[in-house]
Formats: sequence, structure tokens, C-alpha cells
Amino acid sequence: GAGVSQSPRYKVAKRGQDVALRCDPISGHVSLFWYQQALGQGPEFLTYFQNEAQLDKSGLPSDRFFAERPEGSVSTLKIQRTQQEDSAVYLCASSLMDREFPYEQYFGPGTRLTVT
Amino acid sequence: KNQVEQSPQSLIILEGKNCTLQCNYTVSPFSNLRWYKQDTGRGPVSLTIMTFSENTKSNGRYTATLDADTKQSSLHITASQLSDSASYICVVSARGGGADGLTFGKGTHLIIQP
Repeated sequence: GAGVSQSPRYKVAKRGQDVALRCDPISGHVSLFWYQQALGQGPEFLTYFQNEAQLDKSGLPSDRFFAERPEGSVSTLKIQRTQQEDSAVYLCASSLMDREFPYEQYFGPGTRLTVT
Repeated sequence: KNQVEQSPQSLIILEGKNCTLQCNYTVSPFSNLRWYKQDTGRGPVSLTIMTFSENTKSNGRYTATLDADTKQSSLHITASQLSDSASYICVVSARGGGADGLTFGKGTHLIIQP
């Protein structure tokens, strides 16, 4: 079956532009996570959805970052007025249930965002 | 603050040799610990997940250990292959969720040389 997919795989944006990154989780997965991974670093948590509810957005670095999952499946991470420090790989992961349990998290390939 | 420290930062070994990667954590209250393999340009892929009561788990040539008392874990790779070249990330989950629900280490970058 299909895994987690993300699009676009690569995005180059000029400073100040808005971008939208898409995540298609595995069908039926309740939980969805967004992470930011800087070069040579581990992923950093951004936000978490359970179905359409955004239960935790404490990792979003500023109010320029916004995520939604309106129908409980596809999610979009939007970054407004991009800055150079936003350059990173944005990973999406999904899992069957709440992250408190050791349910497997399946990661997408990521979107590499470069802000010039 | 919850933290996960991994060592070494990078490691180069010859094909066929064994190696051990380390992970120390200060996450509390502990729920589970995971090791992920991340190939260049790809998302992380889970290797093992261990809860408090488990102290060892194997997945093929990968064996993870967990000492919840000392808050240490290791990932042992046996008879390394060129395809093992990747970053290995230790992730510790805290009970109760929140921003520290999942804490990622920075990873160990492993290179297998022929």
C-alpha cells in the first residue's frame, strides 16, 4: 500500500513569499505530525493532529507558520513571508493512534524548502 | 528540559565490521524509545520501539538495548553492509504528550566503507 507522501519534494522560495507544503498520510491513520529538520540535525516537532483537531502546535516557531487538516486526512503546512532561517526539510509522519502509545510513526520523504 | 544525546556524532567503519551507537536521555516520565534509520534525502524509518519493560529488541542485524535505570540505549549493528550507511536517530517519548511528547536526538551519521 501507499506510504506517506509529501509534495512538492523540493521548493525554492524568495524571501517574503508564502509557501504551502502538502502531506498525504496513510489512509486511516488518525495521528499526523509535522517536523522541521535542519541540515545535519534531528527532526524538531512542529505540530500534531488527531483527525482534524490540532491538539498541539507548541513547536511552531512563529505565527508565520500555520497548519491545517480540515477533513482529518490531507494536511497542509503554510509558511507566510518566508525567511532564510525557514530553510529546512519539512517532514510529515502519520500513525494509527495517539502518540502516547508506541504506535509506529511512518514518515514521508520530506519537502526540502530553500529560501533565497 | 527533555533531551536526547547521541554519540558518536559520526562514525566510519569497514564493511563487515560491527558497531554500536549510543543514546542517553533525560526524558521524563519515560514512555518508549525508538531507533530510526534515515537515508540521505529520505524520511526516517523505524527500526525498533522499546517500552519501559523491554531491555533488548532485535530487527535483523540491528539490536537495540535499553537501560531505563541509567537512561541509556544502544543500537548494535552486526556485520555491517554498505546499505547501512545512513543517519541513525534515537527518539524518546514522554508519557502525557505535549511539546515534549517526542524528543529526537541529532543522530549518528554512519558511513560504511568497502
